[in-house]
Amino acid sequence: QVQLQQWGAGLLKPSETLSLTCGVFGGSFSDYYWTWIRQSPGKGLEWIGEITQSGSTNYNPSLKSRVTISAATSKNQFSLYVGSVTAADTAVYYCARGVLRFGEFHFDHWGQGTLVTVSS
Amino acid sequence: IVLTQSPGTLSLSPGDRATLSCRASQSVDSNSLAWYQQKPGQAPRLLIYGASDRPTGIPDRFSGSGSGTDFTLTISRLEPEDFAVYYCQQYGYSITFGQGTRLEIK
Repeated sequence: QVQLQQWGAGLLKPSETLSLTCGVFGGSFSDYYWTWIRQSPGKGLEWIGEITQSGSTNYNPSLKSRVTISAATSKNQFSLYVGSVTAADTAVYYCARGVLRFGEFHFDHWGQGTLVTVSS
Repeated sequence: IVLTQSPGTLSLSPGDRATLSCRASQSVDSNSLAWYQQKPGQAPRLLIYGASDRPTGIPDRFSGSGSGTDFTLTISRLEPEDFAVYYCQQYGYSITFGQGTRLEIK
């Protein structure tokens, strides 16, 4: 049974860097798109970006200038970094496993979510 | 692609049939439309992928249909645990979600 478990700091000050890590347990790290998604009351669910085992990344254009996703494949972990955070980055952040099959894409496993609050 | 879900809130009783709509601003390729259920304090849970396929373990009272720009999630007979928020998600040039439909007990 695949499980995603995430951790990281939940309270940040403006201009700091958000850092979260997601561990993948009970499944392969290859053949999937390891993804970060956030959810805020004002913007709903927002795709942030993804990484594959080969290190290939894709980011939401609206966040691309501030976001980095990296992977430690030997540990079955991937991480999210968002620089220069503001109050607008306050949200629940989820890691998720993306599945691409015959041109169709969905998220079949999710982490438990981490509330990140940006406040001075 | 912008996904618009309707209605925003749906008030029904256990045993009723629920019909939730998701409309895309452009045609969704390969029927890459998924539906998720989210309960308070929990992560979204995959219900439907490929517009109409159910993952293992999802009850058959949940069904998805549609193509192009119009998609529907139907819950044939509501159980008490089905009252939650439902989101659609598409994959194309980018990945986007609808704003959600809240299914509440009448």
